[in-house]
Formats: sequence, structure tokens, C-alpha cells
Amino acid sequence: AQSVSQHNHHVILSEAASLELGCNYSYGGTVNLFWYVQYPGQHLQLLLKYFSGDPLVKGIKGFEAEFIKSKFSFNLRKPSVQWSDTAEYFCAVNSDSSASKIIFGSGTRLSIRP
Amino acid sequence: DAGVTQSPTHLIKTRGQQVTLRCSPKSGHDTVSWYQQALGQGPQFIFQYYEEEERQRGNFPDRFSGHQFPNYSSELNVNALLLGDSALYLCASSLALGGGLSGETQYFGPGTRLLVL
Repeated sequence: AQSVSQHNHHVILSEAASLELGCNYSYGGTVNLFWYVQYPGQHLQLLLKYFSGDPLVKGIKGFEAEFIKSKFSFNLRKPSVQWSDTAEYFCAVNSDSSASKIIFGSGTRLSIRP
Repeated sequence: DAGVTQSPTHLIKTRGQQVTLRCSPKSGHDTVSWYQQALGQGPQFIFQYYEEEERQRGNFPDRFSGHQFPNYSSELNVNALLLGDSALYLCASSLALGGGLSGETQYFGPGTRLLVL
């Protein structure tokens, strides 16, 4: 069965620090990968997505993620975080054989110290 | 451009009762998915509706049922509520792609927070 692992449950950084949130998935076939963000009091928003092509994907607000197929990973990065990046981040995956169903990780809470 | 809307925003029920949650998809979308998000967890897929039929279902009991209307809006029904059904229920809409299903991006609504006492 498909699954998504986010190993960092809570990450605390200072403003201007670099960010990398880990995401690993388990599925042997073709996958589509997503990062969603949930700001305090707001609904889930799509940060970026990978379907095919260039494994380095750029999203909104300066975020990017790299798909490494050999490692089953899709880590999220940002070179310099801001206080406004405080939020919950969810990695998610679906597959061509089960495209309706998106499997989410348990999330990583990011806290930024001003 | 209206995004995904859900009603009600909050709901309190008691064990054994039944509840109906509603969702209107983003303008131009024809597919609705429902998710359950327990506190501190990621969303879990319940089912998806397309062309008024359930297209795929996650690992949820038959107490969870749904419906999609001709205008693409959708309802989620939960019967015989249990304490463990307390969660945020999310609706997501997408536009079905022709042929294969891959590549659909789902857009989420604000959710309905259900508390079962």
C-alpha cells in the first residue's frame, strides 16, 4: 500500500535560516507528488506539484522541491524562511493507478522565530 | 472566481446521530473528493465523486456515504456517529482529465469541524 513519511514532526527555525523538510513515499510505480501548506486558521493550499519532467519543481513563495526517484524522496526546500512561513506542511502522493486518492503524510509543523 | 466552499463550518452531534456535510466545488471543477483530518494528522481519503458516482473509496466503513448532484456539488453523510468520527472534514475539487486520471490537482475547502459527544 502507498504511504508517505514525514520524519520531522516539528521544526523550529530563525528567520533567514534555510529550510529542508523531508518526505519519503513508498510506491513502486509512477507517482505524482505534492506539497500542501496549511497556515494557521486557513485551509490547505497547494505549494507545488510534480507530475513529470524536470525533477526540480518550483512553487509559490520561493519554495522548491526535488524528486529523487532512486531515494523515493520529494524534499521541500527554501533558502531563507520568513516568519510568515509558520504553518503545517504536508507532503502527498498519488499514483497513475489510483489517481483519485491522494495519500498525505502526517505533516510537519514549522515554527519561525522572528 | 469562487473557491471550494463547505457548510456548515462547525457542528456538534451526539453518538448515534447522523450528519450531512455539504460542499460546492471550485468554479469549472467537476470532481469532488472528501477527506477526514483528525487532530495532528494528515488528511485521509474517504471517497471521490465524478459524474454523480463514487469513483474510488478509501478505507472507511459503509457508515460514510456520499452523493454528487448534477451541479457537481456534493454531500458527505455519516450515520451512527462515533466519538472517533470527531475531525475536520475536508472537501477538495478538481477537474477530471480526459482518458487517464493522472495529473489532477485537488483544491481544498476550509473544512467542517465535527465534534461528536
